[in-house]
Amino acid sequence: AQSVTQLDSQVPVFEEAPVELRCNYSSSVSVYLFWYVQYPNQGLQLLLKYLSGSTLVKGINGFEAEFNKSQTSFHLRKPSVHISDTAEYFCAVSVGIQGAQKLVFGQGTRLTINP
Amino acid sequence: DTAVSQTPKYLVTQMGNDKSIKCEQNLGHDTMYWYKQDSKKFLKIMFSYNNKELIINETVPNRFSPKSPDKAHLNLHINSLELGDSAVYFCASSAHSGTPNNEQFFGPGTRLTVL
Repeated sequence: AQSVTQLDSQVPVFEEAPVELRCNYSSSVSVYLFWYVQYPNQGLQLLLKYLSGSTLVKGINGFEAEFNKSQTSFHLRKPSVHISDTAEYFCAVSVGIQGAQKLVFGQGTRLTINP
Repeated sequence: DTAVSQTPKYLVTQMGNDKSIKCEQNLGHDTMYWYKQDSKKFLKIMFSYNNKELIINETVPNRFSPKSPDKAHLNLHINSLELGDSAVYFCASSAHSGTPNNEQFFGPGTRLTVL
């Protein structure tokens, strides 16, 4: 079964520093990957997605991710973070089941930005 | 306009009670989902409906019964509530159920606390 592993449960960084949140997935023929963000006490919002094509995907709020098939990774990066980026970040893979698609999520990474 | 809405936002109840959570989406999507987020923030799909038809049913106890009166609504009824049901429940919707381009739009969540 396809799965996703987020390697860090918590990542503290200082404001304006770069950040990378790591995500590895189990291999499959076709992989469709997503990063979602959950701000405190809110639902999830899509940051970016990889379906095919360019391995570097740009998303909202200055985030980007790189799909690396050989390393089965889809790490999320931002060159300079802001206090407002403090949130929980989820990597997910779309899995086909019974003619439908479902999202399988990683365990989440809590990003904390310190001033 | 709220895209995916849930009511109530908070629900506190006693063990053994029956409760319902309502979800509505105004995006014109065909597919709706229920997810459970546990105390460790882990997100797992419970159900998915496409045009009022159940298409995904993960290993969820029979006490949980989703109902979709029309494709814009997906309600979750829970019988005989247990302590372990305490969690945040998220409703989501997407345009298509069978394609990998499965961007899902999430509601704000319902925090259920069973005492």
